[in-house]
Amino acid sequence: EDKVVQSPLSLVVHEGDTVTLNCSYEVTNFRSLLWYKQEKKAPTFLFMLTSSGIEKKSGRLSSILDKKELFSILNITATQTGDSAVYLCAVFYTGTASKLTFGTGTRLQVTL
Amino acid sequence: GAGVSQSPSNKVTEKGKDVELRCDPISGHTALYWYRQSLGQGLEFLIYFQGNSAPDKSGLPSDRFSAERTGGSVSTLTIQRTQQEDSAVYLCASSFWDSNQPQHFGDGTRLSIL
Repeated sequence: EDKVVQSPLSLVVHEGDTVTLNCSYEVTNFRSLLWYKQEKKAPTFLFMLTSSGIEKKSGRLSSILDKKELFSILNITATQTGDSAVYLCAVFYTGTASKLTFGTGTRLQVTL
Repeated sequence: GAGVSQSPSNKVTEKGKDVELRCDPISGHTALYWYRQSLGQGLEFLIYFQGNSAPDKSGLPSDRFSAERTGGSVSTLTIQRTQQEDSAVYLCASSFWDSNQPQHFGDGTRLSIL
C-alpha cells in the first residue's frame, strides 16, 4: 500500500531556531515529492522535488530528496512566528492513478 | 481570478440533504483534483479530471458522491443523502496537464452535517 509518513507530528520551537521536518514514502511509479504549507485554509505550494541530491531553496526554507532512501527533509532556518503552520508532504505518482498521496502533516508552532 | 476558487466557503446542512460544491480552477489548468480533509487527518484523494473526463474516480468513498466537469473548467462535487461522516473540508486543486507540475489549491469548502 502506498504511504507517506511525516515526523514529527508536532513541534514547538522558539523564534530563531532551526527546524528539520521529515517525510518518508513508499509508493510505486514515483514521479515527484511536494511540500506544502497549510495555515488556515488552502495548502500553499513550497517545493517540488524530482531528483535526488539537488537542494531547492527559497529564502529561509530549503528541501532535498533522497530517492534511494525514499525520504525528504524540509529545513527552516531562523524560524519566525509566521512559519507556524502545518507542513504537508505529498508524493505524486502516475500509472493507473494520477494523484497526490499526502502525509498527515507536521504541525509547527513557533513561539516568541 | 488568479487562484483556484471554491464556493461556498462554508456549508451547514441537515443529514439526508444533498449538497453541491463548486470549484473554478486556475485559467489554463486542464487537470483538476478533489480532496477531502477530515479533522486530524491528512488530505484524502477523491477524484481527478483531465479536461472533462475523470480517468480516476478511485477515491470517491461511496456512490453518494459524484462529480462532473464541464467546458474543461468548472467542476461540481455532489454529495447525495449526506451523512455526518461526510463532514470535512473539501479541497479542490488544479494544475497544467504535465503531471510534473505542482497542484495549486483553493481555500476549500467546510461542510458540516448536522
